[in-house]
Amino acid sequence: DVKVTQSSRYLVKRTGEKVFLECVQDMDHENMFWYRQDPGLGLRLIYFSYDVKMKEKGDIPEGYSVSREKKERFSLILESASTNQTSMYLCASSLWGQGKQPQHFGDGTRLSIL
Amino acid sequence: DQQVKQNSPSLSVQEGRISILNCDYTNSMFDYFLWYKKYPAEGPTFLISISSIKDKNEDGRFTVFLNKSAKHLSLHIVPSQPGDSAVYFCAASVHRIQGAQKLVFGQGTRLTINP
Repeated sequence: DVKVTQSSRYLVKRTGEKVFLECVQDMDHENMFWYRQDPGLGLRLIYFSYDVKMKEKGDIPEGYSVSREKKERFSLILESASTNQTSMYLCASSLWGQGKQPQHFGDGTRLSIL
Repeated sequence: DQQVKQNSPSLSVQEGRISILNCDYTNSMFDYFLWYKKYPAEGPTFLISISSIKDKNEDGRFTVFLNKSAKHLSLHIVPSQPGDSAVYFCAASVHRIQGAQKLVFGQGTRLTINP
């Protein structure tokens, strides 16, 4: 069974802090994703990666960056946290391929920026 | 611009009856559609998918219908059970030759099954 683990379930940070959200998957998946979920907006893609050190912007990358130094780990970085980045953050992974591979999600990190 | 829309934020259905969740999309390039289910305090879990070359896909109590001309898909759950109470997200993607498949999600519909 695929396991996607996000390091924190709840996190409280201050405005202007640099924040790291960590995600690890154990199924050797090539693709990894970061989303945020907000009421009335569904899930929106921030960044994704299809290989080590490779990354692509999603639909809402502003204010975020990512790091993928190892295949199993994908980090989301808030360079200077702001209150509008208070949200639920979800990490996902999937197999690479032209085939239709569903994404497997972690349980999320609820981040509050004060 | 919301490319995938779920216009019903919530739906309440009697146990044993049919639940129908709807989703509309605007991008005619989408060629793969998925439904995810999400319980509180958990991540979304994949439920069922359909390729644009089909108009129906069935998996047990769950059936997804795709109407490409109307740019509309629906998820039918028959019979509905209390454990089906959750938020349901539809998602769509465009085929890519290489790399990861980007999903575009709808806003979600909260389904409540009443005993």
